[in-house]
Amino acid sequence: DIVLTQTPLSLPVTLGQPASISCRSSQSLVHSDGNTYLSWFQQRPGQPPRLLIYQISNRFSGVPDRFSGSGAGTDFTLKISRVEADDVGVYYCMQATQFPVFGGGTKVEIK
Amino acid sequence: QVQLQESGPGLEKPSQTLSLTCTVSGGSINSGGYYWSWIRQLPGKGLEWIGFIYYSGSTYYNPSLESRITISLDTSKNQFSLQLSSVTAADSAVYYCVGGATWLQLLAYWGQGTLVTVSS
Repeated sequence: DIVLTQTPLSLPVTLGQPASISCRSSQSLVHSDGNTYLSWFQQRPGQPPRLLIYQISNRFSGVPDRFSGSGAGTDFTLKISRVEADDVGVYYCMQATQFPVFGGGTKVEIK
Repeated sequence: QVQLQESGPGLEKPSQTLSLTCTVSGGSINSGGYYWSWIRQLPGKGLEWIGFIYYSGSTYYNPSLESRITISLDTSKNQFSLQLSSVTAADSAVYYCVGGATWLQLLAYWGQGTLVTVSS
């Protein structure tokens, strides 16, 4: 089974500063069809998760361009260019190359 | 835009079968290509995918839960359902129903979630 490891577990950030979250997979996430099914989700306190990024780097509808995704194979990154107060929450990566599995989450908080 | 709403008992007894329903609005549940999933989140923990049903009715379940899960569609009511048998306290969680128009956007539209507690 694929295991996704996110680092750091907790990320204190100053408002207006960038933030970066890593997601490492135990196996390559390149599917036999050539796609890489790696997504990122944001879960604000008391809210359901929200899809931010799909297929490594594609922003979902309505997602600000402050959020960007990158990576390939087994190593992926979510970046927030300038953190806003609204970005506080837990961020999860998820792969659907095999049956869907989530990373353990990274908690973003304001310093 | 597609919207989803979970419903079901907030409390279930151990060894019983948990039944949850998701009502979909803003689109037809048997629209071509849609995947309808159940996800759960244990208290203070991360996310676990339970399984999905494709608009055609085919299903795919998490292997670790497969023996206890049934997911079904009710096209007449525009709903899909989850049944989880032989529940224990370890199944206490917030359960989310989620929809996605393609495999790339598998978990695009989320319900608000419903808290289920398993206790006698």
